[in-house]
Parts: sequence; structure tokens; C-alpha cells
Amino acid sequence: DTEVTQTPKHLVMGMTNKKSLKCEQHMGHRAMYWYKQKAKKPPELMFVYSYEKLSINESVPSRFSPECPNSSLLNLHLHALQPEDSALYLCASSRPDTLYEQYFGPGTRLTVT
Amino acid sequence: AQRVTQPEKLLSVFKGAPVELKCNYSYSGSPELFWYVQYSRQRLQLLLRHISRESIKGFTADLNKGETSFHLKKPFAQEEDSAMYYCALRGTSGSRLTFGEGTQLTVNP
Repeated sequence: DTEVTQTPKHLVMGMTNKKSLKCEQHMGHRAMYWYKQKAKKPPELMFVYSYEKLSINESVPSRFSPECPNSSLLNLHLHALQPEDSALYLCASSRPDTLYEQYFGPGTRLTVT
Repeated sequence: AQRVTQPEKLLSVFKGAPVELKCNYSYSGSPELFWYVQYSRQRLQLLLRHISRESIKGFTADLNKGETSFHLKKPFAQEEDSAMYYCALRGTSGSRLTFGEGTQLTVNP
């Protein structure tokens, strides 16, 4: 299995809802990432997990809460989001020795109403 | 601080013509530079990196430290090359990739 999978593909949520995004890979990668991508813009790094520990938090608001329960899974818990948080959320993974070669998932298209 | 600049948001060429996508960077140390590509309705994927000095799908890119550039070139563009191209930089430590704003390449028949 050489893919990163993300569920759901699309998500519409209200500002008071709590939802979670899920990312999974079975390539044995020990670095996993969350990015936010607005239309026609490059991905913006949000979080990096290395060996299941949070190593980078790019000053992301606390309404986004990441979780890495094991080496194959990465979650992003969402609570009290704002309409401006609507975007494509990308997950990526890489081997620790080739951090540049990130394998991206297809993304979850999030709409906050 | 590290920064990547892609001066062209849009680039349009005809099939068979040479194409060059520009990338300039700012970084105080020795960076690693990469090109990522996103074809329509497909996921973002690594195209090539400067260290490997290889040609992928006919594309090459040379790191010019004097000009702090890493331009992507292909001598004869094909329609299937139409995509969004992102130049990215990784500093000497850490796992952070900094992406440029991207260049949307359209190759016309």
C-alpha cells in the first residue's frame, strides 16, 4: 500500500459542531503532517508528528486539535470552527530519513457554515 | 527565515515549445530544493529534487546558489504537463517544507 488515505472526502459542518478528519498510511512512515490549502494557494503547514509525537505546531488556533494514536493514523479534531476555516485539509507522510519526499493524501474538502 | 518566490502565477505555452518555470529562494544556510506537481483532480506529488540531479518526465532543474534560483525546465512541453507546479524549500534542519505560491502551467495543442 503506497497511498495516504483521508476520510471523509467532503465535510460540511456548522460553527458549533465537533467533527474529526482522519488520515491513514501503511507505508511505515513515521512522520505525518497536516496542511491547510485554500483555493489556488500552496499548502500551509499546520502540524507535524514525528514518531507519534507532536514536533511542530505552526501556531494553529486551538479549535484545531491533532492526534496521532499510532504510527499509521493521524486525526484532526475540529470544534467551533469559523467560516474562514473552510479549505482543503491535506494529510501527508514521509520517512524520517527523507522528510522532503512527502506523500500527500487527496484531502478533505471542509466547508464551515 | 526561508522564502520561496515563483514570479509567474500563470504560464501558457504551445505543445512542443520549451518551458521554464521560475523559482527563487531566500535562505541563509544550504537549502534543499524541490518541485512538487499537482495535476487536475490528483494529489500533490514530488516531481524532483535538486540533490538527485535526475530528469523526471523530461523536466530538469538546476540549483544555482549564486542566483538563488531553482528553475524548472523542459525542452519540449506536452499537453499532459498542464498542472500546478510548486517549488519548495527545506532548511538544513527540521521537517518543514516552505512552498512557493505556485505556477499554473497550461500547454496548448
